[in-house]
Amino acid sequence: GAGVSQSPSNKVTEKGKDVELRCDPISGHTALYWYRQRLGQGLEFLIYFQGNSAPDKSGLPSDRFSAERTGESVSTLTIQRTQQEDSAVYLCASSPEGGRAKNIQYFGAGTRLSVL
Amino acid sequence: AQSVTQLGSHVSVSEGALVLLRCNYSSSVPPYLFWYVQYPNQGLQLLLKYTSAATLVKGINGFEAEFKKSETSFHLTKPSAHMSDAAEYFCAVTPSLNTPLVFGKGTRLSVIA
Repeated sequence: GAGVSQSPSNKVTEKGKDVELRCDPISGHTALYWYRQRLGQGLEFLIYFQGNSAPDKSGLPSDRFSAERTGESVSTLTIQRTQQEDSAVYLCASSPEGGRAKNIQYFGAGTRLSVL
Repeated sequence: AQSVTQLGSHVSVSEGALVLLRCNYSSSVPPYLFWYVQYPNQGLQLLLKYTSAATLVKGINGFEAEFKKSETSFHLTKPSAHMSDAAEYFCAVTPSLNTPLVFGKGTRLSVIA
C-alpha cells in the first residue's frame, strides 16, 4: 500500500520567503508527526497531531513555524520569513492508533529545504 | 525527560564482521526504545522496537538489540555485516505509546569490502 508521501522533495527558497511543506499520511493513521533533521544531527520533534485532539506544538522552534491538519488526512507545515538556519530535511511520520503496528511511526522521504 | 546518546557518529566495519552500534538512554519512566535505519535520500525505516516484552529484540535484516535496564543501554548488533547495511542508524526513545520520539544524533555505518 501507499506510504507517507511528502512534497515537494526538494525546495530552494530565498531568505525571508514563506514556504509550505505537505504531508500525506498513510490512510487510517490517526497520529501525524513533523520532525526536522539538520545536517549531522538527529531528528528534532516539531509538532504532533492525534485525531481531533489539540496538537502538541511544544517542539516548534519559533512563531514563524506553524502546522495544520485537516481531519485525519493531509498536513501542511508552514515556515514564514525563512532564515538560513531553517535549512534542513523536514520529515513527516504517521502511526495508527491500534493494532499490531500501534506506535510504529512510518516516515516519509522528507522535504529538503534550502534557504539561500 | 528522555534523551538518547549514540556513541560514535561513524562506525566502519569490514564485510562479514560484527556490527555493534551503541545507544544509551535516559528516561524517568520505563521506556519504549526503537532503532531506525535511513538509507540515502529515503525516510526512516523501523528496524526493531522494545516495548517491555522480551529484552532481546530481533528485527529485520538480521539485526537485534538487547535492552539492559542496569546499563540503560539498547545496543544494536548484527553478527555479519553486509555491504547493503551501509546507512545511517538512529536510536530513539519515548515514554509512552503514540508520543513523539526523542532521537539520538545517529551513527553512520560504513561497510568495507
